[in-house]
Amino acid sequence: AQRVTQPEKLLSVFKGAPVELKCNYSYSGSPELFWYVQYSRQRLQLLLRHISRESIKGFTADLNKGETSFHLKKPFAQEEDSAMYYCALSSRRGSEKLVFGKGTKLTVNP
Amino acid sequence: EAGVTQSPTHLIKTRGQQATLRCSPISGHTSVYWYQQALGLGLQFLLWYDEGEERNRGNFPPRFSGRQFPNYSSELNVNALELEDSALYLCASSLEGSGTGYQETQYFGPGTRLLVL
Repeated sequence: AQRVTQPEKLLSVFKGAPVELKCNYSYSGSPELFWYVQYSRQRLQLLLRHISRESIKGFTADLNKGETSFHLKKPFAQEEDSAMYYCALSSRRGSEKLVFGKGTKLTVNP
Repeated sequence: EAGVTQSPTHLIKTRGQQATLRCSPISGHTSVYWYQQALGLGLQFLLWYDEGEERNRGNFPPRFSGRQFPNYSSELNVNALELEDSALYLCASSLEGSGTGYQETQYFGPGTRLLVL
C-alpha cells in the first residue's frame, strides 16, 4: 500500500530561520515524490518533484530511499512562504494517481 | 492561459439527493483527476479519466461516479448523498502520459465545496 506521512500538522518559524518540512513514505516499488503548496486563497500547485532536482523559491528536497523520506528544506524562510504544504507520491506504473500526506501548515513569523 | 476551472464553487444538498460537479481541464490536457478533501482526511484520490475512459478509481463506493466528455471536460456525480460526503472536491488535469514512466504534472482547479445537510 502507498502511504505518505507528514508528522507535523503545524510548523512555525521566524523569518530568516531554516525550515524543514518532513515527509516519509511507504511504497514497495520505485516512487515518484512531489511537494505541492497551497497559498492562502490560491489553488494547489506543484512546488517541486524529485526527478527534476530543481530548487524552486529556494526550496529543495532530496529523495532518501534508505530512510524513505523526501523532506522539504529552505535555508532562510520568508514570510511569503507561509502556506499549506503537501507531500505526494505516485507510482511509475501508469496509475497516475497521487497519494497525498495530510499536509503541514507553515507559518513564517516576522 | 486559463487554468482548470470547476463549477459550481459551492453546492448545498440534503441527504439522499444527487450532486453533479463539473470540471474543465487546461486546453490540450486529456487526463482529468478527481480528489476529495474531507476535513481531517486529507486529499484522497477518487477517479482518473483519460480519453473518455475511466482509468483508475480510488477506494470510494459506486455511488461516486463520473464521466469524461469528448472535449475532455468531466463530471463527477455523487448519488444518495450522505453527511460525510461534505468536502472540497478538487479536479486536476494533465497531459496524457508520455510513456516514459514518469508522472505528468497535475494542475489543480479551485475546487467545489459540497455541503450535505
